[in-house]
Amino acid sequence: EMQLVESGGGLVQPGGSLRLSCVASGFTFSIAEMNWVRQAPGKGPEWVSYISPSGDIILYADSVKGRCSISRDNAKNTLFLQMNSLRAEDTALYYCARDHRDASKLPIAFDIWGQGTMVTVSS
Amino acid sequence: DIVMTQSPLSLPVTPGEPASISCRSSQSLLRSNGYNYLDWFLQRPGQAPQLLIYLGSNRASGVPDRFSGSGSGTDFTLKISRVEAEDVGVYYCMQVHQSPRTFGQGTKVEIK
Repeated sequence: EMQLVESGGGLVQPGGSLRLSCVASGFTFSIAEMNWVRQAPGKGPEWVSYISPSGDIILYADSVKGRCSISRDNAKNTLFLQMNSLRAEDTALYYCARDHRDASKLPIAFDIWGQGTMVTVSS
Repeated sequence: DIVMTQSPLSLPVTPGEPASISCRSSQSLLRSNGYNYLDWFLQRPGQAPQLLIYLGSNRASGVPDRFSGSGSGTDFTLKISRVEAEDVGVYYCMQVHQSPRTFGQGTKVEIK
């Protein structure tokens, strides 16, 4: 079974830091394009960041650019999101999600999601 | 950024009846390869979003054929031919034409 399991969330004060992790299983992680997507309570999803299989292409949403850093360890099938200078508006459930290709090499976005890890920024 | 606008925001449905959700983008999502870079997701209560349709009209693996996507350019529709109780939740469209990927506000589908 293909699976993503996030961890590392918690309660943090404004200005603090957290490192989220996402462990993949059931598919070849080293060739997978990966993303972080967050969802604030009662709101819709918001894409946060993307990383290519080798890590040479990285993208961020403007809302986190300069404060977050995405990375991966393909040997450990693990995706990371380092979050610094956290703000109240960063409070959300953070999901990792895979991008894939179909048999015709057409892009399939977010075909696998984890269950999410909750980040709460509050004093 | 591309703005995605869904309607309606709330949709009461009757099991066995059809249902339809509209999604409009602020820019065309049609690429030169002929595909529309528009996906549909369903988020059931307490669960992560689930991919239903990719590139406008392609059903994701395991998605029942009662779900279909159509449209081109800036106007898209998700149709459910016969609603079942398990289809309740919030439906989102998302454009994958350019970064950042952006979602619609969501359409909450509930049983009448």
